[in-house]
Amino acid sequence: QKEVEQDPGPLSVPEGAIVSLNCTYSNSAFQYFMWYRQYSRKGPELLMYTYSSGNKEDGRFTAQVDKSSKYISLFIRDSQPSDSATYLCAITDKLIFGTGTRLQVFP
Amino acid sequence: DAGVTQSPTHLIKTRGQQVTLRCSPISGHKSVSWYQQVLGQGPQFIFQYYEKEERGRGNFPDRFSARQFPNYSSELNVNALLLGDSALYLCASSLGTGGGGQPQHFGDGTRLSIL
Repeated sequence: QKEVEQDPGPLSVPEGAIVSLNCTYSNSAFQYFMWYRQYSRKGPELLMYTYSSGNKEDGRFTAQVDKSSKYISLFIRDSQPSDSATYLCAITDKLIFGTGTRLQVFP
Repeated sequence: DAGVTQSPTHLIKTRGQQVTLRCSPISGHKSVSWYQQVLGQGPQFIFQYYEKEERGRGNFPDRFSARQFPNYSSELNVNALLLGDSALYLCASSLGTGGGGQPQHFGDGTRLSIL
């Protein structure tokens, strides 16, 4: 079993939609979770950083951690074409990344 | 403030050659990590250095080596290049080792192509 699992997509949504991106992880001891956005031919850009269970909001982005289910989510409200990118979840306790979900937001 | 800078941006090598990739961390960051990202996959951890000492190593062969300099910049060396080494090599810096969950900030990578 992989330590982090992420649906590779692609996920295609219309502009203005709410997007839900998800990862599951295997080790309940993991504590630190991050979401990165990666545009084509660029490095990953840190979006959200969370610790422990609960929600964290930053503008149109909300990161959610459910430690009981070992499940992390990133929600994007009012999605824009500029949000089209690959979204990577990461467990920074062990520097492990998911495979990334490719998101396309069409006008 | 300058982010993480990597050089060169793109490199073409042939099988069996050796390559050196360079990284300058964000000012004030003492930790540098290296990752390999193959197309369609997430970054795979190669090395982490903190205060010039190796603090972690991923599942990569001994052909891969790295070091960190007193100014916290770093080099990744890969010997005896194979076709499978073709990838985007990413450098990330953080304030600490990352073991405490400190966020890592990435450069735009070096795209290595092996012919």
